Amino acid sequence: DTEVTQTPKHLVMGMTNKKSLKCEQHMGHRAMYWYKQKAKKPPELMFVYSYEKLSINESVPSRFSPECPNSSLLNLHLHALQPEDSALYLCASTLAGTFNTEAFFGQGTRLTVV
Amino acid sequence: DAKTTQPPSMDCAEGRAANLPCNHSTISGNEYVYWYRQIHSQGPQYIIHGLKNNETNEMASLIITEDRKSSTLILPHATLRDTAVYYCIVRPQSSNYKLTFGKGTLLTVNP
Repeated sequence: DTEVTQTPKHLVMGMTNKKSLKCEQHMGHRAMYWYKQKAKKPPELMFVYSYEKLSINESVPSRFSPECPNSSLLNLHLHALQPEDSALYLCASTLAGTFNTEAFFGQGTRLTVV
Repeated sequence: DAKTTQPPSMDCAEGRAANLPCNHSTISGNEYVYWYRQIHSQGPQYIIHGLKNNETNEMASLIITEDRKSSTLILPHATLRDTAVYYCIVRPQSSNYKLTFGKGTLLTVNP
């Protein structure tokens, strides 16, 4: 199984809502990533977890709250988002402990904040 | 982190080889060069990576210059399905797994 599965595929939420994005992989990867991608722009790194611990936070606003409950799951909790947070949110995973490894990406969650 | 420079767009005729250049003149000796592509509205897809030697797999070939300051991704027989944004990434080995995308090259394969 070489898939990274993201749910939901699409999400529309109001600015006062609380929602969560979910990412799952069963490749034994211990490094997992969240990216944000606006239209016609490259993916921007948000967070990296390695061995279930947050290792990189790219100065992301606190309305985005990541969580890695176990080695297969990565969540992104959303609260009080703004319309400019509408984007494609991508999850990725890699082996940990080596840089000679490819990243596997999910198909993303397309988020619209209204 | 080593910066990469890629042309914003390229065109290629279907069935011909597509050669996508990448400049990474500040690369350090132990940094890998990775290539990913992103077809419209999909997640990025890994293509190939290398350190010093040229590499080939079922998707593409990667040619890295001897001084490692530039590389070329070669798609030997481009098809319409290869139309995508291609990202060249230099991956530092001391940055806690950071994988940072540049602007990439939009390759359009024409019939």
